[in-house]
Amino acid sequence: AQTVTQSQPEMSVQEAETVTLSCTYDTSESDYYLFWYKQPPSRQMILVIRQEAYKQQNATENRFSVNFQKAAKSFSLKISDSQLGDAAMYFCAYSPGANSKLTFGKGITLSVRP
Amino acid sequence: SQTIHQWPATLVQPVGSPLSLECTVEGTSNPNLYWYRQAAGRGLQLLFYSVGIGQISSEVPQNLSASRPQDRQFILSSKKLLLSDSGFYLCAWRDRHNQPQHFGDGTRLSIL
Repeated sequence: AQTVTQSQPEMSVQEAETVTLSCTYDTSESDYYLFWYKQPPSRQMILVIRQEAYKQQNATENRFSVNFQKAAKSFSLKISDSQLGDAAMYFCAYSPGANSKLTFGKGITLSVRP
Repeated sequence: SQTIHQWPATLVQPVGSPLSLECTVEGTSNPNLYWYRQAAGRGLQLLFYSVGIGQISSEVPQNLSASRPQDRQFILSSKKLLLSDSGFYLCAWRDRHNQPQHFGDGTRLSIL
């Protein structure tokens, strides 16, 4: 069974600084998708970024980028130039290519200090 | 563009009462639909998913059931709520082309 592990329950970053959120996963599949979702206090789940396992290039979306290490089964999220609005829970998620069920990690609470 | 509607936003129900949460998607056809529950301070647990009308897959045994009476409508139900059913319920959809799941705004369910 696939598992997603986010071992850090909380992190804090100074506004305008860079922070990296860690995620590891376990799977026997060779093709799959990885996601980072953001959940602000409003509780909406917002897609931040996604990575296809067959792509070697790390995904980037503006200030958000990932470090995808397939052999190590690691998928970390880097947030550059952190803003107060980045404060939220962040969930790492995995989806196999054959179907679309998402397996989520437990999440990490990110706080941004002004 | 596609949108997902989920209601009600907040619900307070007594133990033993029935439940019906509704989710509809607009702007797409034949989506995959999902119901998740998020307990306080925890990640999301997949409860049900559906790949078509009348097709429901249950991920965990529980007091809840799901139905898909129309292509873009997904309903979460219970005949008798338990205290343990409290939580935040999220509906999600995705299309058939390996696009990511998109979530509704969620329903906060409190059982008294």
